[in-house]
Parts: sequence; C-alpha cells; structure tokens
Amino acid sequence: GESVGLHLPTLSVQEGDNSIINCAYSNSASDYFIWYKQESGKGPQFIIDIRSNMDKRQGQRVTVLLNKTVKHLSLQIAATQPGDSAVYFCAENNYGQNFVFGPGTRLSVLP
Amino acid sequence: EAGVVQSPRYKIIEKKQPVAFWCNPISGHNTLYWYRQNLGQGPELLIRYENEEAVDDSQLPKDRFSAERLKGVDSTLKIQPAELGDSAVYLCASSFAGAGNTIYFGEGSWLTVV
Repeated sequence: GESVGLHLPTLSVQEGDNSIINCAYSNSASDYFIWYKQESGKGPQFIIDIRSNMDKRQGQRVTVLLNKTVKHLSLQIAATQPGDSAVYFCAENNYGQNFVFGPGTRLSVLP
Repeated sequence: EAGVVQSPRYKIIEKKQPVAFWCNPISGHNTLYWYRQNLGQGPELLIRYENEEAVDDSQLPKDRFSAERLKGVDSTLKIQPAELGDSAVYLCASSFAGAGNTIYFGEGSWLTVV
C-alpha cells in the first residue's frame, strides 16, 4: 500500500513482486529523464535514463516508461529484492538546463 | 574508475561556526554541481560550474555560502556562519560536458548544526 510521511510517499511491496514507482514531471519541454536510487546514508545512484524521443527503455530488472502526453514517468522493478529498498527520485532536464528532482518515493520491500 | 569523492562525510558544528566541504569530480568531467538535500526531499541545486566558471549560482545564498573551483577540477563549498537551518546533506555531482548530460553524485557531506 501507499502512505505519506515526512513529505515522502512510501510504496510497500512483497519480496519477489514487481514494483512500479511513479513520477509526475513538471515541464512539458523536458527532454531527458533519469531515475536515481538513494540508500540510507548514501548519495543518489544512477539507475536508468530515457530521452524524450523514446517511450520505453529497459535495463537489468528495471524498465522506465515515459508518457509525454500526461507528463508521467514510471520505474518498474522486476522481482523486487530487499536490496531494492531505498528512496527513488526522478529527475528531468530541459535541453541542457539544470536537472529538477522530484520529491522521491520510499520503496519498502517486505519479506 | 573513481566516482565523485567528497569530504568530510559527516560534520557536526555549533551555529555561527564556519564549515567547508570538498569535492573531487569524476576524472574528465568538466561540469560540477553542488546540491543541498533536506531530509525527505530531493536534491536542490546550489551552484553549477563549467570548468572554473560558475555558470549558475542563482540558488546559492550568497550572504553566507561561497564556492570555488579555482583550477576547474576539485571544488570547495563554504558556509560562514552556519545556521541551524543549514543542517542538510551537501551533495557534489559531476557530468561530462554540460548540464544536459547524466550527472553522478558523491556520497554527500552530512552537516548537523547545533
């Protein structure tokens, strides 16, 4: 289920299930998007990126989907593992301007 | 290849004291960023350098914050004097050739002002 605490939405999933983390971005002109994973006490770590000329990109166990019509980005994690527990941020970039980060979603993997 | 290196990792200081953070970007990355991240929020840009030039410092509180990147490689971010509200994580990041490319973060410098 989902809950909100300390400004951070939380998604709880069972180990082995698929996770879907959503992000609504703000600028319809943004052309480059990145998902970052941030574990407790660490800096954000690059996961996967996508340019606006694509609507889907796959990595290892992760898929990013981009819907420019509704300004929506999602990160799908297949077979979620305990090590996936972290805060996930989306970031958008408008043709070389500075990246703007979303508020983040905390993913909690239940045993 | 080494990632973005930051120091110190943790710092606790009393308010009104100065503090400085150091960053060494990924080799070959000429764009360097300093971000501030408050608890439960995403990173917010403080300053962006292209080589040694600060090309965007619009969000840097210049009354107490300063930054430098004298030789276009490593950088220092300073706060003087620190206030209670400066408690946050200060993240350094770098990218290759400009702001529209993938940025890679260091582990952050965690500041607590008491």
